[in-house]
Amino acid sequence: AQSVTQLGSHVSVSEGALVLLRCNYSSSVPPYLFWYVQYPNQGLQLLLKYTSAATLVKGINGFEAEFKKSETSFHLTKPSAHMSDAAEYFCAVTGGSGNTGKLIFGQGTTLQVKP
Amino acid sequence: DVKVTQSSRYLVKRTGEKVFLECVQDMDHENMFWYRQDPGLGLRLIYFSYDVKMKEKGDIPEGYSVSREKKERFSLILESASTNQTSMYLCASSPRDRASGELFFGEGSRLTVL
Repeated sequence: AQSVTQLGSHVSVSEGALVLLRCNYSSSVPPYLFWYVQYPNQGLQLLLKYTSAATLVKGINGFEAEFKKSETSFHLTKPSAHMSDAAEYFCAVTGGSGNTGKLIFGQGTTLQVKP
Repeated sequence: DVKVTQSSRYLVKRTGEKVFLECVQDMDHENMFWYRQDPGLGLRLIYFSYDVKMKEKGDIPEGYSVSREKKERFSLILESASTNQTSMYLCASSPRDRASGELFFGEGSRLTVL
């Protein structure tokens, strides 16, 4: 069975600083991995996804994530935080090519960006 | 653009009331999902459907039922609302190609049960 753990429910960075949001997964099959962002009072929006092609995945708004099978990790990074990046971020996993379409989500990480 | 529309953004109901949450998608997606979002717990799957009149239980189906009479519409029903069902409810859809995995979400329905 798949599961996702996001380390840190709250992360605070200064504007212009590096953003690092951590995600570890467990999966019995090669996974597909996703990062979603949720701005206040909105639904979830896809940031990026890994589907067994390149291990470094680039997404929208300057975010990227690297799939590391040996570490079972899929951490999200952005070189320079912007005030508009303040939101809640969710990591999610599904069971790769044999999956049923369901996504299993982590607990979420709230990103605060200080001026 | 894919659009998933949830009929009510905010609802306040009383304990014991029957509650209907409606979701409509306009991209002819086969798969539809209902998740519940609570602080510190992330999103948890309540029910999902792969086709009209089909439904499958997710991880937390107790106290909920669903209806999918038309492809574009997926309804979540709380037969007798309780205070522990106060939460944000998110509907999502995806195409039949399950391998893609990407879900398209509505803006959510925040339910308060008094």
